[in-house]
Amino acid sequence: QVQLQESGPRHVKPSETLSLTCTVSGVSINSYYWSWVRQTPGKGLEWIGYLYYNENTNFNPSLKSRATISVDTSKNQFSLRLRSVTTADTAVYYCVRDLGAFDIWGQGTMVIVSP
Amino acid sequence: QPVLTQSPSASASLGASVKLTCTLSSGHSDYAIAWHQQQPEKGPRFLMKVNSDGSHIKGDGIPDRFSGSSSGTERYLTISSLQFEDEGDYYCQTWGTGFQLFGEGTRLTVL
Repeated sequence: QVQLQESGPRHVKPSETLSLTCTVSGVSINSYYWSWVRQTPGKGLEWIGYLYYNENTNFNPSLKSRATISVDTSKNQFSLRLRSVTTADTAVYYCVRDLGAFDIWGQGTMVIVSP
Repeated sequence: QPVLTQSPSASASLGASVKLTCTLSSGHSDYAIAWHQQQPEKGPRFLMKVNSDGSHIKGDGIPDRFSGSSSGTERYLTISSLQFEDEGDYYCQTWGTGFQLFGEGTRLTVL
């Protein structure tokens, strides 16, 4: 059974860098694309970007200048870094398996940006 | 890139059927979409992928009363024998080279 689990700090200060890790179990991270998606409070879903195990990445143009996604194949993990955060980046962040369709979701982790 | 349009809300009675619609913008009738369910206070769950020919592939454990279909630029999710647990937000999603997009979601109320 494939499972994804997000981890990282719940609170981040404005202007700092948000860092999250997704641990993948039940399948090798080498086999698929993986994405990050976020949901701001009371709002819809927003795709952040994707990564392939060979470190090929692509991003939502609205976040491209601030986002980085990386992979650690030895730990079967991939990570998101979002620089220069503001309160508008407060959201629940999900990691997902990306087959085109997002077929497996992590449970999500809430990140609050506040002073 | 296409744009996905969903009605903000829908409602139907317990035990009845409901058909939710996701509309692709003009000129994008070849795109497949995925449907995701988000129950209150939970994360999204993949329901199914719906192809332009109307065929669909469901996620693991998705009940038979959930089905998908297509017509032109419209993609449908039909839920039969509605249960209270079906209440929540339903999002459609599509993708292409270098992009992923979501519709704004339909909030389903079971009366």
